[in-house]
Amino acid sequence: GAVVSQHPSWVICKSGTSVKIECRSLDFQATTMFWYRQFPKQSLMLMATSNEGSKATYEQGVEKDKFLINHASLTLSTLTVTSAHPEDSSFYICSAPLPRQVSSGYTFGSGTRLTVV
Amino acid sequence: GQNIDQPTEMTATEGAIVQINCTYQTSGFNGLFWYQQHAGEAPTFLSYNVLDGLEEKGRFSSFLSRSKGYSYLLLKELQMKDSASYLCAAMDSNYQLIWGAGTKLIIKP
Repeated sequence: GAVVSQHPSWVICKSGTSVKIECRSLDFQATTMFWYRQFPKQSLMLMATSNEGSKATYEQGVEKDKFLINHASLTLSTLTVTSAHPEDSSFYICSAPLPRQVSSGYTFGSGTRLTVV
Repeated sequence: GQNIDQPTEMTATEGAIVQINCTYQTSGFNGLFWYQQHAGEAPTFLSYNVLDGLEEKGRFSSFLSRSKGYSYLLLKELQMKDSASYLCAAMDSNYQLIWGAGTKLIIKP
């Protein structure tokens, strides 16, 4: 079935450094990729929506210069957390709508646990 | 505004039945999703309802009432592996998913 492969699964980085998270759609083309952040015991919070070949749409309160999203091809979308701080520590998940119809649902990457020390 | 409400936590016994409720308010409506999420993992798709009524899929069933803005997920013959968070998400007129905070289901032997 359609799968989104997300890497890395977990990463620990120092404050001030940047981290790149990749999501690749396998066996299907993802023209749209949603990027979520989830804090412990909380719901998924949509950060931004990326569309292949165009600029990402960011949700209110999400800094576009801090969370850089690139969707250069139909199978790859990346999220770069720049100048990371401890408060950026969270679970980041990408998701793509499955092709053909809404009822197919959305497939999710396996998530990236980011810890900034 | 747009809003999804579901209970924070529920407890049930192995082998029993549990119903997780969800109410929603969205700008337009293009369907209601249920996802299962184990701790530290990404959500996995369970069901999608866009018409009123009950959809049955094995041990899991999902119900929708559009007029009441209400859905429930019914889990039968509960197994220990069903311990997880269950997320309700409604799709609005822009095909954006509005997520509930999730219901943590605890299964006891």
